Amino acid sequence: AQSVAQPEDQVNVAEGNPLTVKCTYSVSGNPYLFWYVQYPNRGLQFLLKYITGDNLVKGSYGFEAEFNKSQTSFHLKKPSALVSDSALYFCAVRDVSGGYNKLIFGAGTRLAVHP
Amino acid sequence: GAGVSQTPSNKVTEKGKYVELRCDPISGHTALYWYRQSLGQGPEFLIYFQGTGAADDSGLPNDRFFAVRPEGSVSTLKIQRTERGDSAVYLCASSSQGASEAFFGQGTRLTVV
Repeated sequence: AQSVAQPEDQVNVAEGNPLTVKCTYSVSGNPYLFWYVQYPNRGLQFLLKYITGDNLVKGSYGFEAEFNKSQTSFHLKKPSALVSDSALYFCAVRDVSGGYNKLIFGAGTRLAVHP
Repeated sequence: GAGVSQTPSNKVTEKGKYVELRCDPISGHTALYWYRQSLGQGPEFLIYFQGTGAADDSGLPNDRFFAVRPEGSVSTLKIQRTERGDSAVYLCASSSQGASEAFFGQGTRLTVV
């Protein structure tokens, strides 16, 4: 079965420090992987995706993610965190059976950036 | 439009009542998705439309849930005989043909009392 795991409920980081939000996946075949961010009372905003190609993917707001096939991971990173990055982050994998954007989401990780 | 629009943003209803949730996708997007996000969880897939037809409704939890997209644009998610367990944020997303990412609306928070 296809699945996504986000092992941390919450990540705390000081402003200006690097941040990592972890994601591992389980899927047969080549995965399509995504990161979305959710601010309070707002919908999900697309951050970045990995489909194929370079394992390091750059996205919105200075975020990047590294695809690691051997570790089945797709961790979200940012070199220098901002207080405004505080939000709920979701990793997702596309269901491979349909060829459309049926996404399987992790449970989410709350990122708290402290001044 | 500029983005996916969902109305209402909040809906409180009594147990047993019928509700309709509306989604207006990004103009020109042929694919439309409904997801449900319960408290403390990630969104879960409900149904996918390609054009007017429901191509995948495997995520609908039971026959109280139904969705339509009669003209291939606006979609309505309908819930009959609501139960307290239906309380959640209902998210709509759309994508263009062949696109690999979907864009989400702000959601409708449904509370069944």
